[in-house]
Amino acid sequence: GDSVTQTEGPVTVSESESLIINCTYSATSIAYPNLFWYVRYPGEGLQLLLKVITAGQKGSSRGFEATYNKETTSFHLQKASVQESDSAVYYCALVSDTNAYKVIFGKGTHLHVLP
Amino acid sequence: DAGVTQTPRHEVAEKGQTIILKCEPVSGHNDLFWYRQTKIQGLELLSYFRSKSLMEDGGAFKDRFKAEMLNSSFSTLKIQPTEPKDSAVYLCASRDSAETLYFGSGTRLTVL
Repeated sequence: GDSVTQTEGPVTVSESESLIINCTYSATSIAYPNLFWYVRYPGEGLQLLLKVITAGQKGSSRGFEATYNKETTSFHLQKASVQESDSAVYYCALVSDTNAYKVIFGKGTHLHVLP
Repeated sequence: DAGVTQTPRHEVAEKGQTIILKCEPVSGHNDLFWYRQTKIQGLELLSYFRSKSLMEDGGAFKDRFKAEMLNSSFSTLKIQPTEPKDSAVYLCASRDSAETLYFGSGTRLTVL
């Protein structure tokens, strides 16, 4: 079945450093999947960070970027300069038509940004 | 607009009890999901409704976990009987037509 694998945490970086959280997926669909990053900040609920539904396209939000690469089946999350407020748990997810459009999540990556 | 509402926020149960968690999705959303969140396993899908039809009944969870969608604005997740390993945060989410999930704040379940 479809699956998502992402960087195991926790990941610790210092403020102003660059960040990459890896996400690779496995999906059988030709037309899909659609790819998402969700984030859970401390004390808040899980929420959408960004999404991309077209291969080759890039999504961005809050300084984060992710490019949908169908050749490498990847959707890595990157940021050039992290801030302490980026400390959170990040989840990569996919939706595909071959599994009734259910949402498959990776296990999450806990990011700690040191001041 | 009201978001996804989950009640209760916290639940403490004795082993063997039956508990029912409640969820009100965002008005107008047709899809609803129940997940269990743990540090080790991340987000595990328990149930998935598409336009009130049950699409996923949770596989390994189906023997003690039962979700129902009584109408488009209310869903329940029953765990019967509870076991200590069920201690986790249970999340409900509804999805809009752009495939974005909106999550509730979750119910933290502790089974003694």
